[in-house]
Amino acid sequence: SQTIHQWPATLVQPVGSPLSLECTVEGTSNPNLYWYRQAAGRGLQLLFYSVGIGQISSEVPQNLSASRPQDRQFILSSKKLLLSDSGFYLCAWGRGNLAKNIQYFGAGTRLSVL
Amino acid sequence: SQELEQSPQSLIVQEGKNLTINCTSSKTLYGLYWYKQKYGEGLIFLMMLQKGGEEKSHEKITAKLDEKKQQSSLHITASQPSHAGIYLCGAAPGGTSYGKLTFGQGTILTVHP
Repeated sequence: SQTIHQWPATLVQPVGSPLSLECTVEGTSNPNLYWYRQAAGRGLQLLFYSVGIGQISSEVPQNLSASRPQDRQFILSSKKLLLSDSGFYLCAWGRGNLAKNIQYFGAGTRLSVL
Repeated sequence: SQELEQSPQSLIVQEGKNLTINCTSSKTLYGLYWYKQKYGEGLIFLMMLQKGGEEKSHEKITAKLDEKKQQSSLHITASQPSHAGIYLCGAAPGGTSYGKLTFGQGTILTVHP
């Protein structure tokens, strides 16, 4: 069966510090990978998605970047964190390129920028 | 871009009561997904609906898709405290969208024992 792991679960970082959140998927190959952010308003905002190694698409201009160095690894980074980067970050994986694409989510990372 | 509006935003019910959550899309629905989230945790997939009139059930939760109204409803029968959480609907814009999903703002469900 497939599993998705995210770490760390919780992170407190000072403004201006770098960020690296990691997500890995097991039990499947060549998945589509996604990074979402969930702010206090509860809605999920798609930040990045990837359909293959080294292929990253950004949905929202921001202070963050993503990379996919391996087939089942997706990393969210920032060189200098802003207060507005605080939130709950979720990684997800899915298959296919049509509307019939169930996404499965990791447990999330709670980021607090102080 | 597609927008999803959920109603109500929050719901408090007594255990054993039935309830309905609605999700309305601003554009044609090609796939509608329902997820449940416990606070501070990831999303758990509940159901996917693809065709107008389609209805699916999982335990005491039933979801329907009304293609003409561009709307889906989630109905919980005889609610239990274990049903408490945030329910989110998600939709894909269709075509070669690589499964990118737009989500509603969520409905917070509280079930009092």
